[in-house]
Parts: sequence; structure tokens; C-alpha cells
Amino acid sequence: DGGITQSPKYLFRKEGQNVTLSCEQNLNHDAMYWYRQDPGQGLRLIYYSQIVNDFQKGDIAEGYSVSREKKESFPLTVTSAQKNPTAFYLCASSTQDRGSGELFFGEGSRLTVL
Amino acid sequence: AQSVTQLDSQVPVFEEAPVELRCNYSSSVSVYLFWYVQYPNQGLQLLLKYLSGSTLVESINGFEAEFNKSQTSFHLRKPSVHISDTAEYFCAVSDLSTDKLIFGTGTRLQVFP
Repeated sequence: DGGITQSPKYLFRKEGQNVTLSCEQNLNHDAMYWYRQDPGQGLRLIYYSQIVNDFQKGDIAEGYSVSREKKESFPLTVTSAQKNPTAFYLCASSTQDRGSGELFFGEGSRLTVL
Repeated sequence: AQSVTQLDSQVPVFEEAPVELRCNYSSSVSVYLFWYVQYPNQGLQLLLKYLSGSTLVESINGFEAEFNKSQTSFHLRKPSVHISDTAEYFCAVSDLSTDKLIFGTGTRLQVFP
């Protein structure tokens, strides 16, 4: 079955530690995205990538980093510089840039910083 | 800049009653419109979309939405809801002039027996 796999589903970390969230897709999509979801705020774009070895900042990139070394993979690192990292993180992909195409989402990773 | 407003953060409704979830966007410049559904602790799934053509679009599970350009709205409706429709619903607008996809803040639909 084609789809997007995010891991881990739940993650607990101490303050000050970097955390990397995994996102893998086997849909052969060019574009991949990371969103952050907080209650009552909808989805906010962190980073996106339209092609391998290239990515752009979204609306709330500060404190996060990404890489896109392979078409299938787009890991997100939540660094210690992110002031409020506890949130639900969603990875998505699309065949085209997000403006005109449907997004396919993973099941999300819930990060709790203690 | 384009923005999306979902005025109702929560909509409680009894099973088999009709429901409307409202979505308004700020600019009537060329747009694509989407409704996504999110079940608890899961990612979002596309429910329906308007790209062009007929202004009334339908999903396979009985939801429909109508693109109203003059009122810049894309409200989601279902004539009779089921318990399994309990979820959070997000409206999203793609502004073709900026190539950005903007999500609303979501509406939580709670269906009671």
C-alpha cells in the first residue's frame, strides 16, 4: 500500500534536547511538507521541499531544520532553539506544489517536551 | 494576503440531523478549495475539493460543499449525520496567485446519539 509513514507516533523528550521526526513516502511524490498543529490554531507550515536537495522555510521555521537527501524521505529536527516544541507534527506530500494539488498526510507524531 | 475563516470551533449535533460547517475566505482571486477531515490522533484526509467546473462538489460519504464566488464561501453540508462523522474538519484555500495553501483553524463536529 502506498502512503506516508511517520515515526515515532509518540515522543517524550527533556527540554534542551534535539529531536528528529521521521517521514517516509512511497507515493513517488516530488513535494513534501511539515506542518505543526496546535489546538485552535489549525495547521502551520514549518518547511517544504519540492525537489531533492532543496527546501524552503514555511511560516514558522525558527527552531526547526530539515534535509531532503532522498525523494522518499524528509526528516524534521526540532532543535533546542524551538521555544515551545510540544505539539502534533504532520508530514505531507503531493505530486505538485501544494497550491494546486491534493496533500496526502501521515498519521502524525506527537512530541511532548517535559 | 489570503486568509480562511471557520467561524465555528465546535458544532454539536444529534445523529441523523443535518449539519453545515461554515468556511469563508478573504479573496475571490483564482482559488482552489478543499475540505479535509481529521479523526482523533490521525493525519488529515481529503474529503472533497473544488478546482473548476460545477460549483457543487460531493464526497463519497454524503458530504457536499458549494463554491460561492460572490460570498467567498465554501460551506460543507450533510443532510443526515452519523456518529462516525465525529471528527475535526478543516477548510483550505489554495491561492493560485501566490501558490500558497492556507488552512482554517478547524471545526470540531461532535455527533451525539
